[in-house]
Amino acid sequence: AQKITQTQPGMFVQEKEAVTLDCTYDTSDPSYGLFWYKQPSSGEMIFLIYQGSYDQQNATEGRYSLNFQKARKSANLVISASQLGDSAMYFCAMSDNQAGTALIFGKGTTLSVSS
Amino acid sequence: DGGITQSPKYLFRKEGQNVTLSCEQNLNHDAMYWYRQDPGQGLRLIYYSQIVNDFQKGDIAEGYSVSREKKESFPLTVTSAQKNPTAFYLCATRAGTALTYEQYFGPGTRLTVT
Repeated sequence: AQKITQTQPGMFVQEKEAVTLDCTYDTSDPSYGLFWYKQPSSGEMIFLIYQGSYDQQNATEGRYSLNFQKARKSANLVISASQLGDSAMYFCAMSDNQAGTALIFGKGTTLSVSS
Repeated sequence: DGGITQSPKYLFRKEGQNVTLSCEQNLNHDAMYWYRQDPGQGLRLIYYSQIVNDFQKGDIAEGYSVSREKKESFPLTVTSAQKNPTAFYLCATRAGTALTYEQYFGPGTRLTVT
């Protein structure tokens, strides 16, 4: 069965520093997609970045980059130059090819950015 | 504005009552999904629909029902059979079936059953 694991319940970082949020996944499908979402306290889910299993290069979107290590089945999110507004819950997710490409989510990591 | 609307934002019900959560989209997306989120947890799939008049159970469908009579609408009914209905409910859509498509989420409905 497919599974996403996020082992860091909480992370703390100071403004302008970089932070890495860990994500490991398990799947037997050769084709899959990996996603990161941000959830502020308001509850909305904001899409950040996508990585396909066949992509040769790590995905980047502004201050977000995804450190994709296929052999280790990891897809860590790197946020550079943290800002106070980055304080939120972050979820790693994987497409579930068995369920209409719904997403399987990890339990999330709470990121707190301080000044 | 294109987007997903969920109403109401907060919903309170007495135990034993059925309640229907609304999800409307004007993104013209074929696929729609319902997820449940409990405090401090990730999202879990309740139901999904890839096309009008067709829907499938997700991982935690017991005690829930859905309909998909129109492309724009995918309402979720929480029945009295759902043992722990208090949760945050999120509706999502997806533009297509390719893996590259992300899911777009509505603002969610917080349901409290007492």
